[in-house]
Amino acid sequence: DVKVTQSSRYLVKRTGEKVFLECVQDMDHENMFWYRQDPGLGLRLIYFSYDVKMKEKGDIPEGYSVSREKKERFSLILESASTNQTSMYLCASRGTRGSLGANVLTFGAGSRLTVL
Amino acid sequence: DAKTTQPPSMDCAEGRAANLPCNHSTISGNEYVYWYRQIHSQGPQYIIHGLKNNETNEMASLIITEDRKSSTLILPHATLRDTAVYYCIVRVAAGNMLTFGGGTRLMVKP
Repeated sequence: DVKVTQSSRYLVKRTGEKVFLECVQDMDHENMFWYRQDPGLGLRLIYFSYDVKMKEKGDIPEGYSVSREKKERFSLILESASTNQTSMYLCASRGTRGSLGANVLTFGAGSRLTVL
Repeated sequence: DAKTTQPPSMDCAEGRAANLPCNHSTISGNEYVYWYRQIHSQGPQYIIHGLKNNETNEMASLIITEDRKSSTLILPHATLRDTAVYYCIVRVAAGNMLTFGGGTRLMVKP
């Protein structure tokens, strides 16, 4: 089974700090995603990448950037963390499954970030 | 994307079948039905998907009505570890993004 590993399960940072969230997948998937999840708002897409060094903005990219230098690794960067970025961050990798090749997302365990 | 409607919560006795309904009356012909679940403090986990036919895997069964306007996820013998929020999502096969709505919070009770 594909495995998506997020480097940190829990982080506590201070306002203004630079934050790196790392994500690694082991199935050679081309597509990777970063979401954030907040109570009552569901999952919201921040950025996604469909190839090395390629990135696309999702629904809420403001305040974030990403890096995809290697196929297996997709990093989310908060240049200057703010309290409204306190959230659960979820990384996902996309592959096909089933005879009809429907795309399926596999998620990491999540990184819960608290910004004080 | 077609909108889905799920009950906000359900209970199920341990060992019994859990049947989770989902309405997707505006589904179009090329849209799949996906089911994911999210156990507390973890990332969503893929369960199963289908297009027209009923599907079964090691985790669950998916029953899709003939008109495709609704579906039911069946966990045949629910365990306490199946307690989670279950999301029904409708999306084209090549879609990048899955929109997760409110889902159904399933509580499996001993």
